[in-house]
Amino acid sequence: SQQGEEDPQALSIQEGENATMNCSYKTSINNLQWYRQNSGRGLVHLILIRSNEREKHSGRLRVTLDTSKKSSSLLITASRAADTASYFCATDLNTGGFKTIFGAGTRLFVKA
Amino acid sequence: EAQVTQNPRYLITVTGKKLTVTCSQNMNHEYMSWYRQDPGLGLRQIYYSMNVEVTDKGDVPEGYKVSRKEKRNFPLILESPSPNQTSLYFCASSHTRQGDYEQYFGPGTRLTVT
Repeated sequence: SQQGEEDPQALSIQEGENATMNCSYKTSINNLQWYRQNSGRGLVHLILIRSNEREKHSGRLRVTLDTSKKSSSLLITASRAADTASYFCATDLNTGGFKTIFGAGTRLFVKA
Repeated sequence: EAQVTQNPRYLITVTGKKLTVTCSQNMNHEYMSWYRQDPGLGLRQIYYSMNVEVTDKGDVPEGYKVSRKEKRNFPLILESPSPNQTSLYFCASSHTRQGDYEQYFGPGTRLTVT
């Protein structure tokens, strides 16, 4: 079953523009994470936001979390060609265990 | 260098031939996990382990086995591989799953079962 669903599935922007990706989930979570993946390689952790946090920043990344709407957004400001990658949200379910559910991802293409 | 290693990186095998994909981390992490990635489906968790001798099922455990006899190693075993297990597999580890943590991923193992 898919917990996290990203939107849009694909996004193409010009270098210097901002990119916004959204993630929705279905059940109660402990936290939500965002990862980047370059073309079939391993995922790289970008940022984690806890369920009691609403916003978090890391460099050019800004993540928001709205637990009432069960949604999160990732904003990449001043995008660069090197930001071209797939971006995934993942949620740790609040079920007593530590099961992690990933979404299908957003493919971002930044044109130089 | 802190890393998660997987072997082999590429594997082509036939239906029914038992195989093991190894995963090792050098960061003394308690938590380890296996995922498979298929086009359009993102990553799906197969099994995870909270610590030595503690394992639990993820979202898609059928057809897979794992063991955690040592903290650094978490092998994935396919007793009787089938073509629907053709996929890209990732191992990951982290220190904890509480509070703020960072999950480190291996480079992936591309498995083809014919």
